[in-house]
Amino acid sequence: DQQVKQNSPSLSVQEGRISILNCDYTNSMFDYFLWYKKYPAEGPTFLISISSIKDKNEDGRFTVFLNKSAKHLSLHIVPSQPGDSAVYFCAAIETTGANSKLTFGKGITLSVRP
Amino acid sequence: EAQVTQNPRYLITVTGKKLTVTCSQNMNHEYMSWYRQDPGLGLRQIYYSMNVEVTDKGDVPEGYKVSRKEKRNFPLILESPSPNQTSLYFCASRGTGLAETQYFGPGTRLLVL
Repeated sequence: DQQVKQNSPSLSVQEGRISILNCDYTNSMFDYFLWYKKYPAEGPTFLISISSIKDKNEDGRFTVFLNKSAKHLSLHIVPSQPGDSAVYFCAAIETTGANSKLTFGKGITLSVRP
Repeated sequence: EAQVTQNPRYLITVTGKKLTVTCSQNMNHEYMSWYRQDPGLGLRQIYYSMNVEVTDKGDVPEGYKVSRKEKRNFPLILESPSPNQTSLYFCASRGTGLAETQYFGPGTRLLVL
């Protein structure tokens, strides 16, 4: 049972436009959410996070929005750049759990066209 | 430079031949874990360790072993590899604070024939 869902496997956008990457979750105990970016032949790297007590977190061109009632979060990249082309993983943590493990979605491949 | 290192980066082996993938971090992190990445399945946790001599199973532990004798090292052991363990493996570490993020190693691509 996939607790973190990224239903679109890929997204292609024009350079300079907005990229919107979506993520849904089913476990209401998740209270911290993260986005990771992964280039080929490299490990995932942390991009941005948001606590469940917030609905928005912004860091430069990257903004994450959280809608707790809908169990939905999204990553906005504005403006998109060719260097943003990568696989993006949504992840969630149940911080009160013993493991505090990251539960990942399947990832979405973003392609930014010049 | 803060980093997580894994060795080897690429490995081809045959069914049943024991292998070990090493993982080391230089950030004095308590928490370390292993993930595997498979097409269409994302990243799934294999094992994790909260500290030295404290390890536990993740979501897909079958066929794997780990040990945590030192804080910086967390090797992944495949006693008798099988073709379904062909995958891309990532080691990760993080501190214990709430806002800590996981740092991932560069990955080990394993092919079991």
